[in-house]
Amino acid sequence: KAGVTQTPRYLIKTRGQQVTLSCSPISGHRSVSWYQQTPGQGLQFLFEYFSETQRNKGNFPGRFSGRQFSNSRSEMNVSTLELGDSALYLCASSLQDTQYFGPGTRLTVL
Amino acid sequence: AQSVTQPDIHITVSEGASLELRCNYSYGATPYLFWYVQSPGQGLQLLLKYFSGDTLVQGIKGFEAEFKRSQSSFNLRKPSVHWSDAAEYFCAVGAGNNDMRFGAGTRLTVKP
Repeated sequence: KAGVTQTPRYLIKTRGQQVTLSCSPISGHRSVSWYQQTPGQGLQFLFEYFSETQRNKGNFPGRFSGRQFSNSRSEMNVSTLELGDSALYLCASSLQDTQYFGPGTRLTVL
Repeated sequence: AQSVTQPDIHITVSEGASLELRCNYSYGATPYLFWYVQSPGQGLQLLLKYFSGDTLVQGIKGFEAEFKRSQSSFNLRKPSVHWSDAAEYFCAVGAGNNDMRFGAGTRLTVKP
């Protein structure tokens, strides 16, 4: 089976712009979770989607949003980008309480 | 809520030496426990997991971990470290339903 794929792998944006990141889960996995990873804060949970519904949400501002499609693919959107949003964004799909991670999208905000 | 502590931020070991990475968790019930490894700029790869049963769990790449309920620990071990094991290691605890908490990570350096 193919693993979790994330696109794009690298992204450079400027402050105030918005960005959309995409995640395709492992075939058969219906849950997709998103994490932000930074050197200072480590791995922080953003949100989780299951069957197109947000099931869990972390402590991030409303500028961070997501959605899941009927084929389980997920997107996350960050609006009005800030310098502090520069991070590695990781997506994980899960089956039976085990999460499998994609390679991440490296977002740089200038 | 569950939480994870990895007491060691950075560990250096010589190639061929044994390795133990510490992980302590806090959770009221029997937790789901995981170890992941991350190479620079990459995603996290699952090394092993514990849900129930035998408290000594075997994983990939020659790693194992032991669940000790009395010590609230889930330490990762490897008898002989290879240079390719240099990476960052994350312990995680789950409560089911994909509600997971990750430790801050331990960076492993392997000396030749």
